[in-house]
Amino acid sequence: EVQLVESGGDLVQPGGSLRLSCAASGFPFSSHWMHWVRQAPGKGLVWVSRIRYDGIDTGYADSVKGRFTISRDNAKNTLYLQMNSLRDDDTAVYYCGRDLIAGSGSLDYWGQGTLVTVSS
Amino acid sequence: QSALTQPPSASGSPGQSVTISCTGTSSDFGAFNFVSWFQQHPGKAPKFLIYEVTKRPSGVPDRFSGSRSGNTASLTVSGLQAEDEADYYCSSYTGSKTVVFGGGTKLTVL
Repeated sequence: EVQLVESGGDLVQPGGSLRLSCAASGFPFSSHWMHWVRQAPGKGLVWVSRIRYDGIDTGYADSVKGRFTISRDNAKNTLYLQMNSLRDDDTAVYYCGRDLIAGSGSLDYWGQGTLVTVSS
Repeated sequence: QSALTQPPSASGSPGQSVTISCTGTSSDFGAFNFVSWFQQHPGKAPKFLIYEVTKRPSGVPDRFSGSRSGNTASLTVSGLQAEDEADYYCSSYTGSKTVVFGGGTKLTVL
């Protein structure tokens, strides 16, 4: 059974940093592109970032470029999102998703999400 | 990176069909057919409904179908059921290493 479990969400002050993790199981993690998607309270889904199966190729939304870094450890079956210079509008539930088709955004499995709150 | 445009709401009675549109620019869709649709119930993670414009993952009822004409993709839900009441989102790969989602449509089953 495919499982994605996010962790690391917390309350952090503006300007602070946080690292999210997404532990994967039940499928060959090192064969799949992975994504992060976020959802602010009461708002819609917003794509954040993606990473190729080998970690070499990455992409970011303009709103997080230069502040967030996606990475992965295929030996640990874990996806990461390092978030720096956090702003109030980064407050959201962050989901990781598995891509069915090479970076296309065809996210066939999602985690349950982890809440990041940026507030002073 | 503006969001794809979806109507904020849609509705239909049980048994009826409803179509939700998803409009973007040629840059949003790129030269690809990587349009996906997701269903999200309150407090839950999104569920994968449609990929590559028209394909359904195993387990998704054939009441859900997708299509695309130019820069508008559409999701049709036929034979509406009470459990179809949810938020629906489209997404597209832009071809510039990025993905864009629609703003979401709240579907109400009357």
